[in-house]
Amino acid sequence: AQSVTQLDSQVPVFEEAPVELRCNYSSSVSVYLFWYVQYPNQGLQLLLKYLSGSTLVKGINGFEAEFNKSQTSFHLRKPSVHISDTAEYFCAVTLSGGYNKLIFGAGTRLAVHP
Amino acid sequence: EAGVVQSPRYKIIEKKQPVAFWCNPISGHNTLYWYLQNLGQGPELLIRYENEEAVDDSQLPKDRFSAERLKGVDSTLKIQPAELGDSAVYLCASSLEHHEQYFGPGTRLTVT
Repeated sequence: AQSVTQLDSQVPVFEEAPVELRCNYSSSVSVYLFWYVQYPNQGLQLLLKYLSGSTLVKGINGFEAEFNKSQTSFHLRKPSVHISDTAEYFCAVTLSGGYNKLIFGAGTRLAVHP
Repeated sequence: EAGVVQSPRYKIIEKKQPVAFWCNPISGHNTLYWYLQNLGQGPELLIRYENEEAVDDSQLPKDRFSAERLKGVDSTLKIQPAELGDSAVYLCASSLEHHEQYFGPGTRLTVT
């Protein structure tokens, strides 16, 4: 069965600094990968997804992620964060092809300080 | 386009009481999901509907939880009786394609 590990539970960063949120997955077969953001008291919003093709995926709000099959990673990056990026970020994985259950990581709390 | 609607947003009940959550998916989305999100954790699937049929309810604690999706549109998730450990956020999501799920704001349940 597949699983997701988000390596940092909290990431503090200053405004306008770059940030990387780390995500590793385990699966013996090909997968689809997702990053979701959850603002306080709100549901999850899809930031970006990797289904196939280019390993560098661009999403909303200036975020991007790179799929690395050899390292089984899908790290999320942003070159310059804003206060408004403060939120919980979830990495998720599912098996490719047809419907398969989304498995979420435990989340990374990004705290952007002025 | 309206998103996924859930109500109530917050609910406080005493243990052993029943509680129900309602979800209206995005218009045209035939797949509906209920997730449980415990504090500090990612969502975990409770049940998935394809139209009105529950096609994956393996994680739903059937002794106290039940769900229905009459007419294949909106859905209700019920807990009876609630226990202290049920305190969590209950998220509803819907999708047209299998891989892009749109989430509602959730219902935060507190059982005292």
